[in-house]
Amino acid sequence: AQKVTQAQTEISVVEKEDVTLDCVYETRDTTYYLFWYKQPPSGELVFLIRRNSFDEQNEISGRYSWNFQKSTSSFNFTITASQVVDSAVYFCALSEPFGTSYGKLTFGQGTILTVHP
Amino acid sequence: EAGVAQSPRYKIIEKRQSVAFWCNPISGHATLYWYQQILGQGPKLLIQFQNNGVVDDSQLPKDRFSAERLKGVDSTLKIQPAKLEDSAVYLCASTPSGRAGSTDTQYFGPGTRLTVL
Repeated sequence: AQKVTQAQTEISVVEKEDVTLDCVYETRDTTYYLFWYKQPPSGELVFLIRRNSFDEQNEISGRYSWNFQKSTSSFNFTITASQVVDSAVYFCALSEPFGTSYGKLTFGQGTILTVHP
Repeated sequence: EAGVAQSPRYKIIEKRQSVAFWCNPISGHATLYWYQQILGQGPKLLIQFQNNGVVDDSQLPKDRFSAERLKGVDSTLKIQPAKLEDSAVYLCASTPSGRAGSTDTQYFGPGTRLTVL
């Protein structure tokens, strides 16, 4: 069965600091997808990124970057020069496109990020 | 393109009462998901529909929860009777494809926050 672990429950930083959110996953499938979602105080889940299991290239999008390492089953998310607007709960998630419930997302517990001015 | 719509946004009921939530997915999306998010946790899948058929309802407490998607478009999730532990945010998501192996990203609605007193 698939499982996603986000060991950091809460992180607090001061604006302009860099911050890394950790995500470790478990799956028996060789084909899977990993996601990060942001949940601001309004409550809606906002999609940030999707990676497939065959693409270990790191990705950068503005101040956001993601580090995918199959060897350690990790998919970490770094925010560079954090801003107050980055304050939110961040979820890592896993889906197995060929599983019984294909496409179903298994979420981690979430990391609450607070960026202080 | 309009996003996933959900209503109501908030609902407060007393235990043993009934409640229903509505979701209208993005136009043309074949697959629809209902997730339950208890405070402090990641969302957990309750039920997945492909068009008007159920793909996975293994985590749906069928003694009190029911869901339908009669015309393969919008969907209703019902709880009858509600318990205190049903207090949560109920999120709806949709994807274009209904096929196993698809690579779609799930886009979420704003959720319905249910409080059971």
